[in-house]
Amino acid sequence: ILNVEQSPQSLHVQEGDSTNFTCSFPSSNFYALHWYRWETAKSPEALFVMTLNGDEKKKGRISATLNTKEGYSYLYIKGSQPEDSATYLCAFYAGRRALTFGSGTRLQVQP
Amino acid sequence: KAGVTQTPRYLIKTRGQQVTLSCSPISGHRSVSWYQQTPGQGLQFLFEYFSETQRNKGNFPGRFSGRQFSNSRSEMNVSTLELGDSALYLCASSHAGGNTDTQYFGPGTRLTVL
Repeated sequence: ILNVEQSPQSLHVQEGDSTNFTCSFPSSNFYALHWYRWETAKSPEALFVMTLNGDEKKKGRISATLNTKEGYSYLYIKGSQPEDSATYLCAFYAGRRALTFGSGTRLQVQP
Repeated sequence: KAGVTQTPRYLIKTRGQQVTLSCSPISGHRSVSWYQQTPGQGLQFLFEYFSETQRNKGNFPGRFSGRQFSNSRSEMNVSTLELGDSALYLCASSHAGGNTDTQYFGPGTRLTVL
């Protein structure tokens, strides 16, 4: 059974704060790591797909890094805005065409 | 381009009944995956279909089954419903289901079993 862990479980920040979350995954048999944002009452939305050790991806104020050797990925949000409030999910791909999801980090940004 | 659609959006059933959920993928996508989310659990993988064939299955009992049609639309069936089957069921489509393929999720079907 693959274990994908995310921390913290939840986070409350003020508008304008920068924040980051962690996703830990097995470092062996790595294929890809996916990040999703899931806003309440909406569908999960893909943010990044990361495959290479040292990969860095950026989308607006959100960026992510990947360390496959030690089995972790960080997601950073610079200058959080209320519309960033969502649950952020990472999903580990170890082949067999199945994503294993973490339980997510719930971010609440206070105006 | 239309997104992934799921029907119905909400469903209430009683124990012992069976239910069928439907998923229409994004046009051109041939892979459809199904996930279950229950309170306190992350998204749990149910199965993945590609070109009408089930390629992978998660750790769920045989009461959970699915199929995919030639137009890539997929259905998921749960027989002999149990209270614990109450969950949000999400489907996701991608071009080919590869490890770097982005999966696009539908809005989900909320199933309540009484």
